[in-house]
Amino acid sequence: EVQLVESGGGLVQPGGSLRLSCAASGFTFSSHSMNWVRQVPGEGLDWVSYISGSGSTVYYADSVKGRFTISRDNAKNSLYLHMNNLRAEDTAVYYCAREPPWAATAYFDYWGQGSPVTVSS
Amino acid sequence: DIQMTQSPSTLSASVGDRVTITCRASQSIGSWLAWYQEKPGKAPKPLISDASILESGVPSRFSGSGSGTDFTLTISSLQPDDFATYYCQQYNSYSRTFGQGTKVEIK
Repeated sequence: EVQLVESGGGLVQPGGSLRLSCAASGFTFSSHSMNWVRQVPGEGLDWVSYISGSGSTVYYADSVKGRFTISRDNAKNSLYLHMNNLRAEDTAVYYCAREPPWAATAYFDYWGQGSPVTVSS
Repeated sequence: DIQMTQSPSTLSASVGDRVTITCRASQSIGSWLAWYQEKPGKAPKPLISDASILESGVPSRFSGSGSGTDFTLTISSLQPDDFATYYCQQYNSYSRTFGQGTKVEIK
């Protein structure tokens, strides 16, 4: 069974840092590109970042470019999102999401349950 | 960046109604479009990929169509379990942009 379990969220002050993790199981992790998506409670879905299966290609939304870093450890079946210089507008639930294998297509076929991040003083 | 515009933002309908949600891309995305269903407190669930391919286990009352810039999600006969928020998403470009969502409410 495919499982994606996020952790690492919490309360952080503006300007602070946080690292989210996503533990993957039930599939060959390195065969899949992965993404982070966030959602402010009561609002829509906001794509944050992408990483290829090998980790060699990454993309970011303009709103987080230069502040967030996506990475992965295929030996540990884990995805990460390092968030620096956090702002109040980064407050959201953060989801990790998987794409189907080998870039056959690129929608998000499995999602984690989300990790809430609150940026507030 | 490619912008995705859904309409309507909110839709009031009754059980048994035929419901159509539209999604327009700011530039051509071929058939690289997915639809998701979201319910409160749960992660989004994929319904349709590549504009018209129904995900395994999704009821056949859901269907998707379109290509280029204009797409539709149709629910042929709305069921109680279908009251939720629906999102389109493009994945033609490196940024996997979502539409703003359409909330389907009970009339």
